[in-house]
Amino acid sequence: SAVISQKPSRDICQRGTSLTIQCQVDSQVTMMFWYRQQPGQSLTLIATANQGSEATYESGFVIDKFPISRPNLTFSTLTVSNMSPEDSSIYLCSVGIDRGEQYFGPGTRLTVT
Amino acid sequence: GENVEQHPSTLSVQEGDSAVIKCTYSDSASNYFPWYKQELGKRPQLIIDIRSNVGEKKDQRIAVTLNKTAKHFSLHITETQPEDSAVYFCAASAGGTSYGKLTFGQGTILTVHP
Repeated sequence: SAVISQKPSRDICQRGTSLTIQCQVDSQVTMMFWYRQQPGQSLTLIATANQGSEATYESGFVIDKFPISRPNLTFSTLTVSNMSPEDSSIYLCSVGIDRGEQYFGPGTRLTVT
Repeated sequence: GENVEQHPSTLSVQEGDSAVIKCTYSDSASNYFPWYKQELGKRPQLIIDIRSNVGEKKDQRIAVTLNKTAKHFSLHITETQPEDSAVYFCAASAGGTSYGKLTFGQGTILTVHP
């Protein structure tokens, strides 16, 4: 499995501001994804980060709120824009290897006040 | 889209007992079913998975079974230990344009009492 890191590990932000989360993998991977895990809840897929093209968003998530970049096969960013307290969650990136197995980064714990 | 239901939401067992967690899925195109273990404050860890071309897979004390006809799959943990205490999530993924996208169940909080 790949070694996946995320920055920051946690942050406390004021409503109305934006936060960019970085995800770095130690090897080139085809698939990268972003998930949200609200407190005490399961994981929900936000979008697939596509290298060199726009991300593919799941129902209920839009690019204006969660812009995603993926400039190469080892790095992606997720921005949480115009934050409100409802955005307080853990945000996790994941990478998929060729057989479909998916591994998660350590997550970014976001608190919006 | 895919919908995954997971039961029970909480499970309490004595050390040494077996634990079984069950999931059902809705999309007959789903063909990959992983299970994740998430300890408090940690990332989800892939512990075992099964693909639609097999009915059962074992790895030491854990096993997963799949019934494609009924669209359900289960996680079995034998000889449970206190370190098995965690939240367990099942997930399902289809191929084609949905390849790699995981839909998760609601999670099961497993507590193993010494």
